[in-house]
Amino acid sequence: SQQGEEDPQALSIQEGENATMNCSYKTSINNLQWYRQNSGRGLVHLILIRSNEREKHSGRLRVTLDTSKKSSSLLITASRAADTASYFCATDAGGGSYIPTFGRGTSLIVHP
Amino acid sequence: DSGVTQTPKHLITATGQRVTLRCSPRSGDLSVYWYQQSLDQGLQFLIHYYNGEERAKGNILERFSAQQFPDLHSELNLSSLELGDSALYFCASSVDPTRFGYGYTFGSGTRLTVV
Repeated sequence: SQQGEEDPQALSIQEGENATMNCSYKTSINNLQWYRQNSGRGLVHLILIRSNEREKHSGRLRVTLDTSKKSSSLLITASRAADTASYFCATDAGGGSYIPTFGRGTSLIVHP
Repeated sequence: DSGVTQTPKHLITATGQRVTLRCSPRSGDLSVYWYQQSLDQGLQFLIHYYNGEERAKGNILERFSAQQFPDLHSELNLSSLELGDSALYFCASSVDPTRFGYGYTFGSGTRLTVV
């Protein structure tokens, strides 16, 4: 089973709006990562947040992590058509395990 | 260009055949990870090599095997192919496999179609 699960499965918004995607996981983690995948292409690493961090920013991206709720959110502000892609969260299983396991992703469509 | 090179980009082969997928990690990265992405299973971790040694195994079938060579490139061998093996196969590399994590750099993948 997947360690991380994204929600919603699909999201459709207009350019300029904000997009929020959520990730829930089951076991304690060392870190959580978000990736973007354009259709049929490789995954691109967006941001990594460690278990002792609560919020990180990178450009128009804001990631939060709530370890008590075992959840994370990715906010993309002022979205652009070029943000259209699938977004995945990846978590390790905590402890000595470092292999990132991926959810099924959120498919984001940004309409121009 | 992510710095991780995967070849070939596309592969079409018949059931029962054997194929080899190749991955060259980003310069300086010692770890190579193989993932399989299919519509029904999502992105599944297969196997991890660090500096030539196998470090972790995931959902890798016995028909599949991998190795990492002294120059750090890796090959994933898929044999006795079945229709269900059709998928995107990704290789990712990282510099440090420890719990601190530095993000993984993915190649553009090999699309395998078994007919």
